[in-house]
Amino acid sequence: DTGVSQDPRHKITKRGQNVTFRCDPISEHNRLYWYRQTLGQGPEFLTYFQNEAQLEKSRLLSDRFSAERPKGSFSTLEIQRTEQGDSAMYLCASRAQGVNTEAFFGQGTRLTVV
Amino acid sequence: AQSVTQLDSHVSVSEGTPVLLRCNYSSSYSPSLFWYVQHPNKGLQLLLKYTSAATLVKGINGFEAEFKKSETSFHLTKPSAHMSDAAEYFCVVSLSGGYNKLIFGAGTRLAVHP
Repeated sequence: DTGVSQDPRHKITKRGQNVTFRCDPISEHNRLYWYRQTLGQGPEFLTYFQNEAQLEKSRLLSDRFSAERPKGSFSTLEIQRTEQGDSAMYLCASRAQGVNTEAFFGQGTRLTVV
Repeated sequence: AQSVTQLDSHVSVSEGTPVLLRCNYSSSYSPSLFWYVQHPNKGLQLLLKYTSAATLVKGINGFEAEFKKSETSFHLTKPSAHMSDAAEYFCVVSLSGGYNKLIFGAGTRLAVHP
């Protein structure tokens, strides 16, 4: 068990460019979450996958954001036409089934839009 | 709606003195509650969780929390602070419905002085 890994750890991009982040969850976890965290704030929920199905999306997730989890394994989060307001830490978490189970978080991808 | 309020954005203690980080929750159902810690440049790590088995929950690194339904509180405590405890702490509620997504408080930054 190598934990949840995210790639890249840091991304600097110019406004208007597209970026894609990857998350590899713990292999036996069927649930995967994406969160966004800005400075001084707690993580905010973006979207949730159960296996390959995207079951919930936050209103924070504008139409420039899309997430996938093909085959129920790794997940990608793409941001199109990035804006400076997209600058944040993007966190991925995976979790086994059950309301009381712990969510394991990756170290995040820090996005800076210049 | 379920939510979490962390009552202090910053707490400062001297090494060796007790730590108290306050958290109140709002939930229509019996909640699952967690405390996570985030050290600089590190991922979120679970400290402890409440799952209705016992109201006093012991976690890692000497931390514990007490669930008080009458006060809708889940405060985090530690008898004696160490320098290594300096970090950001998040109180988290797991929704009983809605795919059990985790709702984070805004966080409390703990500073520990020699």
